[in-house]
Amino acid sequence: KQEVTQIPAALSVPEGENLVLNCSFTDSAIYNLQWFRQDPGKGLTSLLLIQSSQREQTSGRLNASLDKSSGRSTLYIAASQPGDSATYLCAVRDISSGSARQLTFGSGTQLTVLP
Amino acid sequence: DAGITQSPRHKVTETGTPVTLRCHQTENHRYMYWYRQDPGHGLRLIHYSYGVKDTDKGEVSDGYSVSRSKTEDFLLTLESATSSQTSVYFCAISGQGARTEAFFGQGTRLTVV
Repeated sequence: KQEVTQIPAALSVPEGENLVLNCSFTDSAIYNLQWFRQDPGKGLTSLLLIQSSQREQTSGRLNASLDKSSGRSTLYIAASQPGDSATYLCAVRDISSGSARQLTFGSGTQLTVLP
Repeated sequence: DAGITQSPRHKVTETGTPVTLRCHQTENHRYMYWYRQDPGHGLRLIHYSYGVKDTDKGEVSDGYSVSRSKTEDFLLTLESATSSQTSVYFCAISGQGARTEAFFGQGTRLTVV
């Protein structure tokens, strides 16, 4: 069974810092990995999707990398801003889930960017 | 934003009553999912659908049933609500290929008293 772990569970940084969020998964047979953002009381917003054949994806100040063989992904946020404060979730779509194509989620990293 | 709407957004119900949550999409995506999110447990899959009338169980399906009679609608029913089903419920949609993202609705906060 796929397990996804995110470390750290919480992170507090001053505005302007560059930071890295980590995600690891136990089964490397995946279709893709997706990073989400969740604000309190809100739904999940998709940030980046990395296909299993890709090494990284970039969107604005966000860069996500994928090392499938080691079961790791990182989300790099450049020049953090208070508006980046949210919970960040990574999720993998398993090949082993068959017809489900389901996402297995980590428990998230709660990020606080201090003004 | 992907066209996905959940209703109702909030509901309080009594133990033992049936409850139906609705997910509606305008993206014509094949896959639809129901997740619940609870502190300490994260997001867990309840049921999913891979086509009209094609549904299957996820990891926490006990006490829940689903139906999908049209591509755009996926219903989650709690046959007899219990306090343990107090949670935030999210619907998600995705296409079939490895390139396709999953998109989530805004959630339904259900309280069973």
